[in-house]
Amino acid sequence: GIQVEQSPPDLILQEGANSTLRCNFSDSVNNLQWFHQNPWGQLINLFYIPSGTKQNGRLSATTVATERYSLLYISSSQTTDSGVYFCAVEQTSGSRLTFGEGTQLTVNP
Amino acid sequence: EAGVTQFPSHSVIEKGQTVTLRCDPISGHDNLYWYRRVMGKEIKFLLHFVKESKQDESGMPNNRFLAERTGGTYSTLKVQPAELEDSGVYFCASSHRDRVWVNTEAFFGQGTRLTVV
Repeated sequence: GIQVEQSPPDLILQEGANSTLRCNFSDSVNNLQWFHQNPWGQLINLFYIPSGTKQNGRLSATTVATERYSLLYISSSQTTDSGVYFCAVEQTSGSRLTFGEGTQLTVNP
Repeated sequence: EAGVTQFPSHSVIEKGQTVTLRCDPISGHDNLYWYRRVMGKEIKFLLHFVKESKQDESGMPNNRFLAERTGGTYSTLKVQPAELEDSGVYFCASSHRDRVWVNTEAFFGQGTRLTVV
């Protein structure tokens, strides 16, 4: 099956800092999503981005499908950004999402 | 529009007991998925319904897990009997299939945290 690798596995920031999270995948995809799992365990949709660039407030994401990677940018981080960020992809031949292991982000005040 | 809703939000049961989780997908979504995150590891696929039919159940860990989707609406996931290693967070997701049968963005419920003691 498809492999999804996220980096870094852990990231600690001071409030106000910027960060970039990466997601590499091993095969062609027709769906890529970024999620934030908050401290209460809820999975929050951030972006549906099989290709191209999207922005939503302080967050933006870029997927380069031909090179099989996606980047999530967080600017001016806040303590409420803490949690685990997951990348998940759906293969062109598949019907389910395959998740990476996530990036644990901690933003300190 | 209501999102994906899961019940209960948290369940604590003893080993050997039975637990039933429920998921109400977004209205009109044909696709319904179950996933789980165990022991803080990655989120893994369990199974996929298209309407009332099981499209893919290759991720179900063993025959102690039974999923149903009555009339293509809500779904239940029963664990019987529960074991300690079943503890984790169980997520349900739903998505729409467009006119060329391509799956679109998946929306997740808030999850059910299952603790087996």
